[in-house]
Amino acid sequence: DIQMTQSPSTLTASVGDRVTITCRASQSISNWLAWYRHEPGKTPKLLISESSRLESGVPSRFSGSGSGTEFTLTITSLQPDDFATYFCQQYQTYEWTFGQGTTVEIK
Amino acid sequence: QVQLVQSGAEVKKPGASVKVSCKTSGYSLTSAGLSWVRQAPGQGLEWVGWISEHNGDTDTAQKFQGRVTMTTDSSTRTAYMDLRSLKSDDTAVYYCASSYCNVGRCFPPGSDFWGQGTLVTVSS
Repeated sequence: DIQMTQSPSTLTASVGDRVTITCRASQSISNWLAWYRHEPGKTPKLLISESSRLESGVPSRFSGSGSGTEFTLTITSLQPDDFATYFCQQYQTYEWTFGQGTTVEIK
Repeated sequence: QVQLVQSGAEVKKPGASVKVSCKTSGYSLTSAGLSWVRQAPGQGLEWVGWISEHNGDTDTAQKFQGRVTMTTDSSTRTAYMDLRSLKSDDTAVYYCASSYCNVGRCFPPGSDFWGQGTLVTVSS
């Protein structure tokens, strides 16, 4: 199994801050990594696929980077709507694995 | 309009079985795979398994092998996940999600391609 280690688990920031979330894979997954936003009671929203490809309609303040085993999600100029939980997902194979999630909280 | 509509919440006793359904519409089944993912309270997402909506091929996470059966009914475009020998730590929201699958992987589902989730509570 490919394990995904996501950090930090909680991130406290202010509106306008730049924040970075990291995911590390236990083995190389090339660029087969996605980032989602997830809120309680809602379905996950896909933000980025293939490590850095922004999905249609996702604001440009979101960006992803990395390949192999190290990946980052960056949100520049955090907006009030961005306070939520984010998680990564690898899809190197049919068997997906997910990071444990990062909750972005208001300072 | 893409829709994945899941069956309603279930409460089961330990040792029982639960069958969750996911009725799909609004997209082509060619190369589509239906994945089941769960989220236990306070936990992250966990992949349960995958079934091809095209030919019924399946793959199941090792921890669920022998306990879960995934099927599809192409006539009604409904997928089913049957989980047996339920334990309290199977309490979770179970999601179905459809995506393009090819060359050994299923791509991440777009936001419209998730079911609304089904809460399964296992309690004596």
